[in-house]
Amino acid sequence: AQSVTQLDSQVPVFEEAPVELRCNYSSSVSVYLFWYVQYPNQGLQLLLKYLSGSTLVKGINGFEAEFNKSQTSFHLRKPSVHISDTAEYFCAVSEPGGSNYKLTFGKGTLLTVNP
Amino acid sequence: NAGVTQTPKFRVLKTGQSMTLLCAQDMNHEYMYWYRQDPGMGLRLIHYSVGEGTTAKGEVPDGYNVSRLKKQNFLLGLESAAPSQTSVYFCASSRANSYEQYFGPGTRLTVT
Repeated sequence: AQSVTQLDSQVPVFEEAPVELRCNYSSSVSVYLFWYVQYPNQGLQLLLKYLSGSTLVKGINGFEAEFNKSQTSFHLRKPSVHISDTAEYFCAVSEPGGSNYKLTFGKGTLLTVNP
Repeated sequence: NAGVTQTPKFRVLKTGQSMTLLCAQDMNHEYMYWYRQDPGMGLRLIHYSVGEGTTAKGEVPDGYNVSRLKKQNFLLGLESAAPSQTSVYFCASSRANSYEQYFGPGTRLTVT
């Protein structure tokens, strides 16, 4: 069975600083990986996804993530954060080839950007 | 397009009461999902549906039932609410053969 571990439950940073949100997964087969963002009092929206190809994936709002198969990681990065990036970020995994396209989510990382 | 909508947005129930949460999507998506979100637990899949008239259990199905009588609607029912079902419930939908799920705004349910 697949699982996702988000190593930090909260990450406080100052505006314009770089940030990395860590995600590790475990699966016995190949995986697809995702990052979703949840702004306060809203539903989740897709930030970026890795299905195949280049291991460096670029998403919306200047975020990117790198798939590292040997480290079983998919860390999310942004070189310079804004106050508006304050949100909860969820890493998710799915196993390709299934018939239901289910996602397994991590517990989330709350990113707080301070002025 | 409204996307994915959820009704109601908030609800307070007493233990033992029943209720139904409605999810509607106008994107003609095949797949629909119900999740619950609890602090420090992330999102956990309750039930899902890969098509009209078809439902299946997710990770935490106990105490919930679902129905998908129409392609655009996915209902989540609580027959006898318990305090442990206090949570925020999210509905999501996706196209067939797609991993991108579109989420509704959530329903905050409190069971006292």
